[in-house]
Amino acid sequence: DAKTTQPPSMDCAEGRAANLPCNHSTISGNEYVYWYRQIHSQGPQYIIHGLKNNETNEMASLIITEDRKSSTLILPHATLRDTAVYYCIVRVANRAGANSKLTFGKGITLSVRP
Amino acid sequence: EAQVTQNPRYLITVTGKKLTVTCSQNMNHEYMSWYRQDPGLGLRQIYYSMNVEVTDKGDVPEGYKVSRKEKRNFPLILESPSPNQTSLYFCASRLTVSTGGLFFGEGSRLTVL
Repeated sequence: DAKTTQPPSMDCAEGRAANLPCNHSTISGNEYVYWYRQIHSQGPQYIIHGLKNNETNEMASLIITEDRKSSTLILPHATLRDTAVYYCIVRVANRAGANSKLTFGKGITLSVRP
Repeated sequence: EAQVTQNPRYLITVTGKKLTVTCSQNMNHEYMSWYRQDPGLGLRQIYYSMNVEVTDKGDVPEGYKVSRKEKRNFPLILESPSPNQTSLYFCASRLTVSTGGLFFGEGSRLTVL
């Protein structure tokens, strides 16, 4: 699986958009970008994933650059409850019979301030 | 509600006293897995299971056993716990073929004295 690089931390004001960057310059053509978050020792929570098109769901948007070497997770209206460690993970999509192991790096700590 | 349930959530035990951490999912997922999380080491996979009666080692299986007799349950067994197994443990599950992500339980914090 390709390695990802994330800044260690960032903060944003409550109600504003939080834009979390991730670099994955060695990503392969069949590797997806996944985002998870972990709120203070709770179980990691799946947020979103994508291959090359931008994706949006009820939690967030994922913007992937055209060359796929980087991506940005966008929380459109951050709340205090979004304070967490966010992990960007690059891996081949799950397929039948495959170990769905995730390799979590250090992630980025997002602090949402009132 | 779709969920992965772990028990116990917190446990303090002593070296050598066998214990089992249970994991149950209600989503009919075929794939299940156990991770441990330690400061500075991130999440590491212990064991995983593709389906009933099919299990395999992850990255750190030493000192652990698992079983998968039913699709919904995937218990983690520590036959003779040691202090280096003090950790935060997470169970996770997903469909075999899916475009979604892993569902994680809330975690079980284990302390071995």
